[in-house]
Amino acid sequence: NAGVTQTPKFRILKIGQSMTLQCTQDMNHNYMYWYRQDPGMGLKLIYYSVGAGITDKGEVPNGYNVSRSTTEDFPLRLELAAPSQTSVYFCASSISRNYGYTFGSGTRLTVV
Amino acid sequence: GESVGLHLPTLSVQEGDNSIINCAYSNSASDYFIWYKQESGKGPQFIIDIRSNMDKRQGQRVTVLLNKTVKHLSLQIAATQPGDSAVYFCAEAETGANNLFFGTGTRLTVIP
Repeated sequence: NAGVTQTPKFRILKIGQSMTLQCTQDMNHNYMYWYRQDPGMGLKLIYYSVGAGITDKGEVPNGYNVSRSTTEDFPLRLELAAPSQTSVYFCASSISRNYGYTFGSGTRLTVV
Repeated sequence: GESVGLHLPTLSVQEGDNSIINCAYSNSASDYFIWYKQESGKGPQFIIDIRSNMDKRQGQRVTVLLNKTVKHLSLQIAATQPGDSAVYFCAEAETGANNLFFGTGTRLTVIP
């Protein structure tokens, strides 16, 4: 049981490049989330999904897109990377609302 | 908007002492609260949760106290160990909400 798996662990992007952060979970959780964590700060919600085919914006969705074609996968897409997107990105899942999240180990992204 | 904050950004304790980490929240509709531990370079790890129909819940060496009157949450760690050194986040959600809101965190340092 791997839990929540994120890839890659580290990435450096140039301004304007695009990339997809991968997230997969093997716990059959309906709810999945993407958060970003800036240095010394808490977690800000980017997007979330309550089930396959359903996604919704969080607090800071600008510059990102998501899809949820399967229960297991919830990729996060950056289309035109900007320095403001330099952060650590965490994917999480939960069995339902108002239950504890299981987090992945994070992706550290630097945009230069 | 939601406001989940902590009274102290840093806390240092001697090994073996008890630790108390505090968290204030402003949303009176919040009814689910969680504490997470985040070690350096890792994703947040679930510690303990509590719902608003309770005012105390205990786990292994940890206790969460909820005071709904003053909108205050605390995490008590008994016999603090060096492995407890980490950043601790509180998070909250209200009934029907699809996601948690996280505070900015308190860094706990255990002095051997």
